[in-house]
Amino acid sequence: TQLLEQSPQFLSIQEGENLTVYCNSSSVFSSLQWYRQEPGEGPVLLVTVVTGGEVKKLKRLTFQFGDARKDSSLHITAAQPGDTGLYLCAGPNTPLVFGKGTRLSVIA
Amino acid sequence: NAGVTQTPKFRILKIGQSMTLQCTQDMNHNYMYWYRQDPGMGLKLIYYSVGAGITDKGEVPNGYNVSRSTTEDFPLRLELAAPSQTSVYFCASSYPGEAQPQHFGDGTRLSIL
Repeated sequence: TQLLEQSPQFLSIQEGENLTVYCNSSSVFSSLQWYRQEPGEGPVLLVTVVTGGEVKKLKRLTFQFGDARKDSSLHITAAQPGDTGLYLCAGPNTPLVFGKGTRLSVIA
Repeated sequence: NAGVTQTPKFRILKIGQSMTLQCTQDMNHNYMYWYRQDPGMGLKLIYYSVGAGITDKGEVPNGYNVSRSTTEDFPLRLELAAPSQTSVYFCASSYPGEAQPQHFGDGTRLSIL
C-alpha cells in the first residue's frame, strides 16, 4: 500500500506570511492530487500534477511535483484568512490514497 | 447539477439504534466512496464501489454495510450504533481512471450518545 506523509500536521500563521507544506512518499506516483477542505465542507480538488518537475500555479498557490515523482509541495504566497483549511494530498489508486493532511490556520 | 448530495446533514442517535446515510450523485460516475472524518483528523475510507452491484471494503469497514443497486445511489448503513462511530461522514464519486478527481458531498454529522 502506498503511503503519503504530509508535513507539517498543523500550521498557524499570520495573514500575509508565506508557507510551504509537503507531501512525501517512498513510492513513485504517476500523478498526485491536492485537495482543500474548508471548515464544515467536503474536500475540493485544487490541482492534479502528472509530470516529474511540473509546477502549476493557482493564483497565490504554487504546486510542484518532484522530479522523481515521490514528493510534492504546495507553496502559498501572502496567505489570507480564506486559505484556512485542511490541505490533503492524494495518490492515484482505486481507491485514492489520501495523506492525513496539513491543517492551516491563517490569522487576520 | 447538484453533484453529490448527502442526507441527512445532522443526526443524533442513541447507542444501539440503526440508520442509513443516503448519498446520491447526478454526474453518472461509476465509482463511489464513503469516508469518515474524526475531529481534527484526515479521511478514512469505509467502503467503495466501482459500479452497480460491486462493493469493496476500505480501511475501516467494521460496523457498516453498503449496497449499490444503481449508479446514482450508494447508501451507508449503521446497524448497531456505537459511540466510536461519532464522526462526520463524507460520500464521494468519480469517473474511472487514476487521475480522475473525486467529488465530495457536504457531509453528514453524526453523534451517537
